[in-house]
Amino acid sequence: DAKTTQPPSMDCAEGRAANLPCNHSTISGNEYVYWYRQIHSQGPQYIIHGLKNNETNEMASLIITEDRKSSTLILPHATLRDTAVYYCIVLSGNTPLVFGKGTRLSVIA
Amino acid sequence: NAGVTQTPKFRVLKTGQSMTLLCAQDMNHEYMYWYRQDPGMGLRLIHYSVGEGTTAKGEVPDGYNVSRLKKQNFLLGLESAAPSQTSVYFCASSKGRRIDDGYTFGSGTRLTVV
Repeated sequence: DAKTTQPPSMDCAEGRAANLPCNHSTISGNEYVYWYRQIHSQGPQYIIHGLKNNETNEMASLIITEDRKSSTLILPHATLRDTAVYYCIVLSGNTPLVFGKGTRLSVIA
Repeated sequence: NAGVTQTPKFRVLKTGQSMTLLCAQDMNHEYMYWYRQDPGMGLRLIHYSVGEGTTAKGEVPDGYNVSRLKKQNFLLGLESAAPSQTSVYFCASSKGRRIDDGYTFGSGTRLTVV
């Protein structure tokens, strides 16, 4: 039972903002939205997470809609090293991470 | 500070052989996890542990056993390997139940069963 829906792939020009969408229409009140990425079949790397407010850190920004049914991960200035598979995960505090297929982001020079 | 270390990095097994994958973490994390990743797929949870001496089943536990005798180590065993278990195996750890506790992943073990 997939809790999130992401496009399978996206392209982004180097230096431009990459906006990765995620739908999570069945999210419940105590569930957070997490983003991880996986580069070249390495182990996944944590990016950011949020509950209902928008969040920003040194890697990215997370915009969550007011109804919490969707969110967007923003990489403000994408570089070639940001080429990876990005996973949007909905998670409550007591359950382990469950990964879907994610979005394969290709940053193009 | 090594983080999460997986041993071995590569292995080829014959069908029916057994082996143990070792995951070690030096961050004093309570929770540890084993995932597998097949080509073109996301990671799937095999087993996990919420503390020393505890284990629990994940999404795809069949054909695997685990043990957490020491807090820093989480072992994944294959008693009788099958070609369907050819995959990349990732171990991860997290501090605990707090929602802010992100996961730290190892670099993976690539297993081929022939």
